[in-house]
Amino acid sequence: DQQVKQNSPSLSVQEGRISILNCDYTNSMFDYFLWYKKYPAEGPTFLISISSIKDKNEDGRFTVFLNKSAKHLSLHIVPSQPGDSAVYFCAARSYQLTFGKGTKLSVIP
Amino acid sequence: DAGVIQSPRHEVTEMGQEVTLRCKPISGHDYLFWYRQTMMRGLELLIYFNNNVPIDDSGMPEDRFSAKMPNASFSTLKIQPSEPRDSAVYFCASKKAGGSPEAFFGQGTRLTVV
Repeated sequence: DQQVKQNSPSLSVQEGRISILNCDYTNSMFDYFLWYKKYPAEGPTFLISISSIKDKNEDGRFTVFLNKSAKHLSLHIVPSQPGDSAVYFCAARSYQLTFGKGTKLSVIP
Repeated sequence: DAGVIQSPRHEVTEMGQEVTLRCKPISGHDYLFWYRQTMMRGLELLIYFNNNVPIDDSGMPEDRFSAKMPNASFSTLKIQPSEPRDSAVYFCASKKAGGSPEAFFGQGTRLTVV
């Protein structure tokens, strides 16, 4: 039973355009949501988070939106750069972090 | 700080052998997590510790898996006996209590059981 779902295994975007990565969850008790980025042969690195009491958090080119009624969050990257090509994991916290399976983003120069 | 340090980076072993993965968390962090990444299941939590005490080991797949944290700066994940289906990347992560929710990951150990 997956509590955190990333339904798109992959996404390709042109450099300079917007990348939108999506995540759905089922547990209303999650109090924080996080996005991690992972390059091959490296561990996941933290990117940005949002509290469940907020609906938007922005950090430079990265913005996370939370829609609690829909149990949905999204990560927007604008403008996308080739260095953003990686696997992006959505995670949600109750007592510990529960991760989605990831979305592989390819930014095409 | 050097971050979370895991060793070895790669491990190839024969089925039936014992495997020990090691982790040094970030100094001052209160929580330590062991995750396993596979294509089928993604990143799944195996066990986590708070102040060196195991809190939740419900993710440990079988009795062949065990984890210890003898002190605040060291943890091991042991598989005995290992099986080919244990092949995966194993990550250790740590975080401080309170404050920000993010955990910091090591670079992982890629385990191949042949």
